[in-house]
Amino acid sequence: GENVEQHPSTLSVQEGDSAVIKCTYSDSASNYFPWYKQELGKGPQLIIDIRSNVGEKKDQRIAVTLNKTAKHFSLHITETQPEDSAVYFCAASPDNYGQNFVFGPGTRLSVLP
Amino acid sequence: NAGVTQTPKFQVLKTGQSMTLQCAQDMNHEYMSWYRQDPGMGLRLIHYSVGAGITDQGEVPNGYNVSRSTTEDFPLRLLSAAPSQTSVYFCASNSGTVGNTQYFGPGTRLTVL
Repeated sequence: GENVEQHPSTLSVQEGDSAVIKCTYSDSASNYFPWYKQELGKGPQLIIDIRSNVGEKKDQRIAVTLNKTAKHFSLHITETQPEDSAVYFCAASPDNYGQNFVFGPGTRLSVLP
Repeated sequence: NAGVTQTPKFQVLKTGQSMTLQCAQDMNHEYMSWYRQDPGMGLRLIHYSVGAGITDQGEVPNGYNVSRSTTEDFPLRLLSAAPSQTSVYFCASNSGTVGNTQYFGPGTRLTVL
């Protein structure tokens, strides 16, 4: 089955700097890759996603890149702000319908003022 | 819309007790899922349902039962709680169409003594 690895497990950046979180997956059949942000005491919230027919997607300060050949995808956050501090999860799914996700272990991002 | 709601928010059980975690959504979503979240392990799929009357097992189904009698509700039952089931449980739903977003509930923190 699918296995998703995520690095780093913790990341501290200064406010205004960029943050990059990387994930690798094992199943070449996976074709949908969402990223979730989880704030303390809350459920995960989708922040951006990418499908296998796209190499890059951007939404304001957040971007995701996908390399299907190497089976890795990355989350890029530019101009970080204190409210970006949270745990971020990547996931992979073999279908476009958002079912049967396999999640990475998470990255705790701290943005220092 | 209330989105995805879960009750209770917190629960403490003794080993061997049974209980039901409730999940409801008011978005008319076909797909609903249960995940457990443990430190350093991301979210793992317990059971999922693609519509009323249809359920299937995820990655870690042992010790849990589900049923889906209506589109709105997807309860998770622990038949005989064990300390290994101490975790945070999240319910999620999505529409099951291409390009959909998966919505998570706020979670239930369960402790089994």
